[in-house]
Amino acid sequence: SQQGEEDPQALSIQEGENATMNCSYKTSINNLQWYRQNSGRGLVHLILIRSNEREKHSGRLRVTLDTSKKSSSLLITASRAADTASYFCATLGRDDKIIFGKGTRLHILP
Amino acid sequence: GAVVSQHPSRVICKSGTSVKIECRSLDFQATTMFWYRQFPKQSLMLMATSNEGSKATYEQGVEKDKFLINHASLTLSTLTVTSAHPEDSSFYICSASELQGISAEAFFGQGTRLTVV
Repeated sequence: SQQGEEDPQALSIQEGENATMNCSYKTSINNLQWYRQNSGRGLVHLILIRSNEREKHSGRLRVTLDTSKKSSSLLITASRAADTASYFCATLGRDDKIIFGKGTRLHILP
Repeated sequence: GAVVSQHPSRVICKSGTSVKIECRSLDFQATTMFWYRQFPKQSLMLMATSNEGSKATYEQGVEKDKFLINHASLTLSTLTVTSAHPEDSSFYICSASELQGISAEAFFGQGTRLTVV
């Protein structure tokens, strides 16, 4: 069953603006990972944040993790048209099972 | 990074036939692999956990007789969709984790788009 919930479900912003997506989960985790999926394509791994980390950066991506609130956020700065995609958070539980959230469909407007 | 290879990437089959999808970890051993299914514009749903040398563990609502999983070695898991029907048309994707614990990163196959006609 799904345990991750992303919000918003859909987000449209102007190119150059920052996009923030949030993810909440329910059970204890080893880590949380964010993925991007372009329409009809496979998953692309973006960033992994361990349960003992609070923030991580990778290029234009910034991920935070609050294990007390069981939530994470993904910030994409200076968005580009190529960032248009669906973004999923996925939690790796103690049982090594990965559970995906429902995803946020991000649309970057020119 | 580690690589998981999934084959085929696309398959079209006739209703009533069976289709086998392979998932291989190319440069690491995976005692556990996972199979997911994704309907259009929806998230990935975990179908089953494939365990090397033992029976797969299926999620609630997934028919184990319809979706046969075999994990014959530490680098290969297969998903066979038996007696396929049009409603089985979907995107199937496998994953495996190389490490354990908090540093474990899941690597995904490229996915298989199954169309049953």
